[in-house]
Amino acid sequence: EAQVTQNPRYLITVTGKKLTVTCSQNMNHEYMSWYRQDPGLGLRQIYYSMNVEVTDKGDVPEGYKVSRKEKRNFPLILESPSPNQTSLYFCASSPGTGLNEKLFFGSGTQLSVL
Amino acid sequence: AQSVTQLDSHVSVSEGTPVLLRCNYSSSYSPSLFWYVQHPNKGLQLLLKYTSAATLVKGINGFEAEFKKSETSFHLTKPSAHMSDAAEYFCVVSDRTWDYKLSFGAGTTVTVRA
Repeated sequence: EAQVTQNPRYLITVTGKKLTVTCSQNMNHEYMSWYRQDPGLGLRQIYYSMNVEVTDKGDVPEGYKVSRKEKRNFPLILESPSPNQTSLYFCASSPGTGLNEKLFFGSGTQLSVL
Repeated sequence: AQSVTQLDSHVSVSEGTPVLLRCNYSSSYSPSLFWYVQHPNKGLQLLLKYTSAATLVKGINGFEAEFKKSETSFHLTKPSAHMSDAAEYFCVVSDRTWDYKLSFGAGTTVTVRA
């Protein structure tokens, strides 16, 4: 089944403890992206990647890192999480640039930073 | 840069009555426009998209949207609401420039009364 898989689904952590949220897609998509969703703000893009080893900042990249060493994986890394990073996170992929084509979304990761 | 405004944060309708979700956008170029739906505890799913073909776009589950350039609008409608339409809806715009970014609206929550 074609899908975008995020793990974990729920995560509770403490300030400063490094964490990684994994994202994997099995559709051979070029484009992958991370978003955070906060009430009243919609989705805001954190980072995106057009292809392997090509990543770029979105609208809210501060406090996050990403890597794209393989086409299928695009992990989101929080080196030193803070409470303002408590949010619902979504990974998405698309066969093209993501601008004209459908985005395929994962089921989300609810992160709480205490 | 592009932006999108969803004019209603919450819409409540009775089952069997029409649904109207309003979206205005701004874009310096010829935009691509999308509507996504998010059911509780799920990722986002594409309802429909406009990419400079027909201005009336039909999507899944009986939804359609009309692109009106003169009004910079892309409102989503459905003739008859169903209980399963209760969800959050996001209008998304891309002006297809070289920064490969999408802009999401803040979302409209739809409740359907029996």
